[in-house]
Amino acid sequence: GAVVSQHPSRVICKSGTSVKIECRSLDFQATTMFWYRQFPKKSLMLMATSNEGSKATYEQGVEKDKFLINHASLTLSTLTVTSAHPEDSSFYICSALEENNQPQHFGDGTRLSIL
Amino acid sequence: KNEVEQSPQNLTAQEGEFITINCSYSVGISALHWLQQHPGGGIVSLFMLSSGKKKHGRLIATINIQEKHSSLHITASHPRDSAVYICAVRRAQGAQKLVFGQGTRLTINP
Repeated sequence: GAVVSQHPSRVICKSGTSVKIECRSLDFQATTMFWYRQFPKKSLMLMATSNEGSKATYEQGVEKDKFLINHASLTLSTLTVTSAHPEDSSFYICSALEENNQPQHFGDGTRLSIL
Repeated sequence: KNEVEQSPQNLTAQEGEFITINCSYSVGISALHWLQQHPGGGIVSLFMLSSGKKKHGRLIATINIQEKHSSLHITASHPRDSAVYICAVRRAQGAQKLVFGQGTRLTINP
């Protein structure tokens, strides 16, 4: 089945550090990738939708300059949390879509802790 | 009111019991998804439905488009089924993004 690899699975770093999270589709080409944030015991919150070669579409209230998304190829999207602060601590998860109207395939998530 | 509502929010049952999780939505949709999130956080897509019923092993998902309602059933439940089950819909109009329910936390005791 379709596999999405997300790396790293866990990051602990100091306030002010920028953190990059990678999302790769391993055995298919992803037309669209999605980035989500999840707070404890809450459901997923969509941050942005990313299409290869174009700018990401951010959801209302998500800071574009804070959460930089790059989708350089059909198999890789990256989320960079710039100058991270403790309030950015959260669980971030990506998903990838091979074709429209098909299921999204999810990565295993990245648990980010900012000290 | 959320566009996607799940019930119950929490469910505890004994091993072997038949489990039903419900999902109601208030918008026109092109598809409904049932997802499973394990304690470690990873999410698995269980079903994508646009009509009728689908079965995979001990899992059954049904959808009634007219009533805007879907159910996920687990037969002969097992402790390894313990997870959060999430209903998500893709709106009929517009983008491919999903609208999520708040999830149902299922605990199956041995």
